[in-house]
Amino acid sequence: DQQVKQNSPSLSVQEGRISILNCDYTNSMFDYFLWYKKYPAEGPTFLISISSIKDKNEDGRFTVFLNKSAKHLSLHIVPSQPGDSAVYFCAASGAAGNKLTFGGGTRVLVKP
Amino acid sequence: GAGVSQTPSNKVTEKGKYVELRCDPISGHTALYWYRQSLGQGPEFLIYFQGTGAADDSGLPNDRFFAVRPEGSVSTLKIQRTERGDSAVYLCASSLVGTMNTGELFFGEGSRLTVL
Repeated sequence: DQQVKQNSPSLSVQEGRISILNCDYTNSMFDYFLWYKKYPAEGPTFLISISSIKDKNEDGRFTVFLNKSAKHLSLHIVPSQPGDSAVYFCAASGAAGNKLTFGGGTRVLVKP
Repeated sequence: GAGVSQTPSNKVTEKGKYVELRCDPISGHTALYWYRQSLGQGPEFLIYFQGTGAADDSGLPNDRFFAVRPEGSVSTLKIQRTERGDSAVYLCASSLVGTMNTGELFFGEGSRLTVL
């Protein structure tokens, strides 16, 4: 039973345009959500997070939106850059610092 | 070093052998996590240590898997009687746990295990 799902395995976008990555979860006890980015042969690196008491968090080109009623979150990257090409994982936890449950990932390719 | 260090980076073994994977977390991080990532999937939780004790080992798939963290720093993941299905990248992560914690885990580069 996958508690965190990323239904799009891949996404291709032109440089300068917006990338939108989606994530759905089923466990209503999750109250903290994170996005990680992973390059080949490297460990995942933290990108941005959001607490369940918020519906938006922005950090530079990255914005995460949370819709609790729909149990859905999304990551917007604008403008997309070739260096953003990587696999992006959505993750959720029951409390900050607790174990994370990851989605299956979305591979993003930003074309110059 | 500044980051989470995992050794070996690659391990090839034969079915039935015993394997140890080591993780050296970021200095001062009290929480340590082991995850397993199979090809095309997201990281799957195995075990979480808070200090020396395993606070949550619910992700260990069976009793062939065991992990220790005797001094609250370095951790070793031990796999007995390896099977081909154990082939994966084993990721270690550490974090601070406390009021300042943002939930961010710092991951190592992983140990790629291949069981022939």
